[in-house]
Amino acid sequence: SAVISQKPSRDICQRGTSLTIQCQVDSQVTMMFWYRQQPGQSLTLIATANQGSEATYESGFVIDKFPISRPNLTFSTLTVSNMSPEDSSIYLCSAVLWGQGDYGYTFGSGTRLTVV
Amino acid sequence: AQKITQTQPGMFVQEKEAVTLDCTYDTSDQSYGLFWYKQPSSGEMIFLIYQGSYDEQNATEGRYSLNFQKARKSANLVISASQLGDSAMYFCAMRGPNFGNEKLTFGTGTRLTIIP
Repeated sequence: SAVISQKPSRDICQRGTSLTIQCQVDSQVTMMFWYRQQPGQSLTLIATANQGSEATYESGFVIDKFPISRPNLTFSTLTVSNMSPEDSSIYLCSAVLWGQGDYGYTFGSGTRLTVV
Repeated sequence: AQKITQTQPGMFVQEKEAVTLDCTYDTSDQSYGLFWYKQPSSGEMIFLIYQGSYDEQNATEGRYSLNFQKARKSANLVISASQLGDSAMYFCAMRGPNFGNEKLTFGTGTRLTIIP
């Protein structure tokens, strides 16, 4: 089944800086998703990233704060820009590949971000 | 819009006992899928079980079973013979119909603690 390598696994960053999170899938996938999980909370979808088109952002998330790249069918990045302590969360990527993964869904192992 | 409700923020269960985690959902779609994930403190999302809306039988995966009551829009997770390693957050999630609505909507989660 499809495997996603997500990097970094964790990071501690200074406020005002940016962090780019990478997800590499070992199969070509059409759709990738980026989620945020704030401490003690559920997963909230940030955006859907399709190759060859602009990412589609959910309400409350904007491209200037969370720019996403999807240069090909196996790779995507999420940047958390101009970070503040409120951005401290776990960030997860997910890919949909019908017939693989767990009923089509595979998750990266997550990036635990702490902003100080 | 889809919505998942988990009304149990936390549960404490004696080791070896069975436990039921509640999940109700709301959707206007006829075709949908329901998932349960386990999230240990490491942050990764571990797939447990899946139920399709047209599946007539309740899904089972080892010690996990899903009590699917479509008319009541509930999809409770049953863990038999609980183990200390079952202590984690548990999320119920839903996806919409295939091809166009693959994003997952998550509930708020239940923190399960197994007591020796």
